[in-house]
Amino acid sequence: AQTVTQSQPEMSVQEAETVTLSCTYDTSESNYYLFWYKQPPSRQMILVIRQEAYKQQNATENRFSVNFQKAAKSFSLKISDSQLGDTAMYFCAFMPAYSGAGSYQLTFGKGTKLSVIP
Amino acid sequence: DSGVTQTPKHLITATGQRVTLRCSPRSGDLSVYWYQQSLDQGLQFLIQYYNGEERAKGNILERFSAQQFPDLHSELNLSSLELGDSALYFCASSSRARGGADTQYFGPGTRLTVL
Repeated sequence: AQTVTQSQPEMSVQEAETVTLSCTYDTSESNYYLFWYKQPPSRQMILVIRQEAYKQQNATENRFSVNFQKAAKSFSLKISDSQLGDTAMYFCAFMPAYSGAGSYQLTFGKGTKLSVIP
Repeated sequence: DSGVTQTPKHLITATGQRVTLRCSPRSGDLSVYWYQQSLDQGLQFLIQYYNGEERAKGNILERFSAQQFPDLHSELNLSSLELGDSALYFCASSSRARGGADTQYFGPGTRLTVL
């Protein structure tokens, strides 16, 4: 079974600054996907970024980028030029790339509450 | 907007009652996943359907059941409700052929309050 750990329950950052959210995971799988989802006060779960474990290049989506360290089983999210709209809960999630049982559910961390301060 | 719809947005009911939550996946998506988000348990996987067939079960109580219909919408049925069932219930869908690993897109959720 996989586990996902987010060790920072809460963080804050000044508007326009950069912040990094941490995530570690434990798995015996060699190939898998990792995701960051954002949950703003509206409670909608919004995909931020996705990383395939077999890709060495770190994923980037505009102001969001990841630092994926496969050997260390670490997957951190960097938000550059933070904006007020980035205020949200951020969840790290794991999905196996292959499942003999055909099950591809997401395993989530507990989340990090990020507040962007004007 | 993810393209996944869920109804109703809010549901308030009493203990012992039964409710049905509905989900319509994104157009063309064959896989539907249900998740429960509660304060004490976080986000937990409940059940997965692919093209009408149950694929996997997670931490789903026996009082809960689900199905996916030929038009691919899915319903989650919660019965004999208890106070602890109060939570946000999400539906997610993905498009990978044969139900393989792919990004899941979430609906807006149904907030269930059991009084």
